[in-house]
Amino acid sequence: EPEVTQTPSHQVTQMGQEVILRCVPISNHLYFYWYRQILGQKVEFLVSFYNNEISEKSEIFDDQFSVERPDGSNFTLKIRSTKLEDSAMYFCASSPQGVPGELFFGEGSRLTVL
Amino acid sequence: RKEVEQDPGPFNVPEGATVAFNCTYSNSASQSFFWYRQDCRKEPKLLMSVYSSGNEDGRFTAQLNRASQYISLLIRDSKLSDSATYLCVVQAAGNKLTFGGGTRVLVKP
Repeated sequence: EPEVTQTPSHQVTQMGQEVILRCVPISNHLYFYWYRQILGQKVEFLVSFYNNEISEKSEIFDDQFSVERPDGSNFTLKIRSTKLEDSAMYFCASSPQGVPGELFFGEGSRLTVL
Repeated sequence: RKEVEQDPGPFNVPEGATVAFNCTYSNSASQSFFWYRQDCRKEPKLLMSVYSSGNEDGRFTAQLNRASQYISLLIRDSKLSDSATYLCVVQAAGNKLTFGGGTRVLVKP
């Protein structure tokens, strides 16, 4: 069964460093998303991406964050100058048709900022 | 008021029993509604969409009440494997989903 894959599964970084989280969406999907979940809290929307551009972003997704689809398969989230409060599980999701269709989530990348 | 609000639980349910819980949403213009399931430290997975007329999928029944702005999930004949956090998810507008904080269900033998 096709699935969304994410790397790394866990990354530890020092405050102020840049991290790149990578995702390979399901191959025939057209809509891509990043969500995050701080430990013990709810899943929060960060950004949606369609047709090689951001279609929507939340207030959380400020200039510290960027997304890119550098080739036909990868979808990346870059976090510049990481802060302690960026520590969270970051989930990538993809969908063939966007909302209200089903979102298929990857297993997540856990980011720990020290 | 939170956009999507859920009782965090936990709901402790004997195996074989029925459990039901609700979720309220604040935006009356919300368009689509879902229940996702999240196991501990895992990714969310779609359990079922919620339709205006209510819908059933096996032991799971979802209802939508637009007038009172809540949706519900009922689980019949609970199995140990139903233990999870159930996430109420709402699409208000655009291409994003808004998640509630989740209701934790623990099914015990």
